[in-house]
This record gives sequence, structure tokens and C-alpha cells, in this order.
Amino acid sequence: YDLIQPLSVSVSPGQTATITCSGDDLGNKYACWYQQKPGQSPVLVIYRDTNRPSGIPERFSGSNSGNTATLTISGTQTMDEADYYCQAWDSRSVAFGGGTKLTVL
Amino acid sequence: QVLLVQSGAEVKKPGASVKVSCQASGYTFTSYGFSWVRQAPGQGLEWMGWISSYNGNTKYEEKFQGRVTITTDTSTSTAYLELRSLISNDTAVYFCARDDIVGPTQNDYWGQGTLVTVSS
Repeated sequence: YDLIQPLSVSVSPGQTATITCSGDDLGNKYACWYQQKPGQSPVLVIYRDTNRPSGIPERFSGSNSGNTATLTISGTQTMDEADYYCQAWDSRSVAFGGGTKLTVL
Repeated sequence: QVLLVQSGAEVKKPGASVKVSCQASGYTFTSYGFSWVRQAPGQGLEWMGWISSYNGNTKYEEKFQGRVTITTDTSTSTAYLELRSLISNDTAVYFCARDDIVGPTQNDYWGQGTLVTVSS
């Protein structure tokens, strides 16, 4: 199962960053998103399409419909610069997107 | 607090096996499962497999079938990943991550990662 993400997204501080994740009938699966900074382990920022784990800022939000899941970061901060990965699963396997490098400049 | 602490870096020769451990604390071990995910240098995340800490059920990514075994030891709250017949392309950081008890889903806590280097 392939999940496709843009290689890179750039945004200015304070603006809204949008990262997409495309997969066949993805809207009928649960999607989640991870943030990974260099040399660190991934951190779950969105689960079950739209939910934020405890401790994740409100500026992170998610949606999932049709063939596309979307991670939105409102009021992006320099600390949000990182790689972001989407993930989805079915009864047999788990897939990660290839990752999107978010640059805040 | 939930902690997953992995074993240290390993250097292996091609054809050898490696076993990475992941000791959990801060929650009821048998109420969750584990997934193992690897990341080659400069590359993305790759799911390898999952285990239920409750009943030992496993699921493996097809490309690793026959070469990987995931186990748990409830007496020490530790999960293990064993990968056999190593090749240079297996050089990667291997992460354990807490998962659901009935099947792989999202991963809310991750270990610090274990670098496995395969080199002759």
C-alpha cells in the first residue's frame, strides 16, 4: 500500500503549512502523522485522522477524506521545522509515506 | 511516565543475525503491543512487524517474512526484534514503538532507536 507525500514544503513563520498524503481509498482508513527532527525518534502529532495526543499544540490539525489525508499547521513556528510522515494501516500491514521536509523560513 | 529503552548499537558482518531489545516501563506491559520500524541513513520510516504483548500474536511485513522474528518477555517487560541473514542494506536505525494490543495502529511512544551497522 503506497502513501505519497510531497518531498518538501516551505512556509514563512506565522503562516499555515499544509502537508498532504495520498493513497488509494485512504479516507476509509485511519491516518496518523509523525514529526521527526534530526537525530530524534518520531513523535505522534495526529492520530485517527483528526486527534491530537496530549501535549501536542493546538496549531496541529488533521483531516482525511477521499484519497487524501492532510496535516495542517496553523501559525507555523520555527520549532516546527522537521520531517513529517503519514501512516495508515489495514488488517494486514502498515504503510508510511515517504516523508515531507517542512522548512520554515 | 512511559519509557521504551532500547539496547545499544551493533556492528554485524553480512550473513550474521542481530537481536535488539526494547524494555518498557510506566504502563501495564500486557495491555499494549509493539511495532518495530527501521530507518536507513537519510531515508524514511519502514514498518517491519508487530506483536501483541497479551497473547504473542504477530504480523510481519511481507518483505521481511522468514528473516525476522518479534517476541516479548512479559517477565521483564521487554520486546525483541531478531533479524537474520543480514545484508548491507539492513544498515539502519531500528525503533520499537508502543502499539495496540489487537493489531498495528498508530504508535504513541517510541524508543530512542538502535543503530545496526552491517559491514564486512
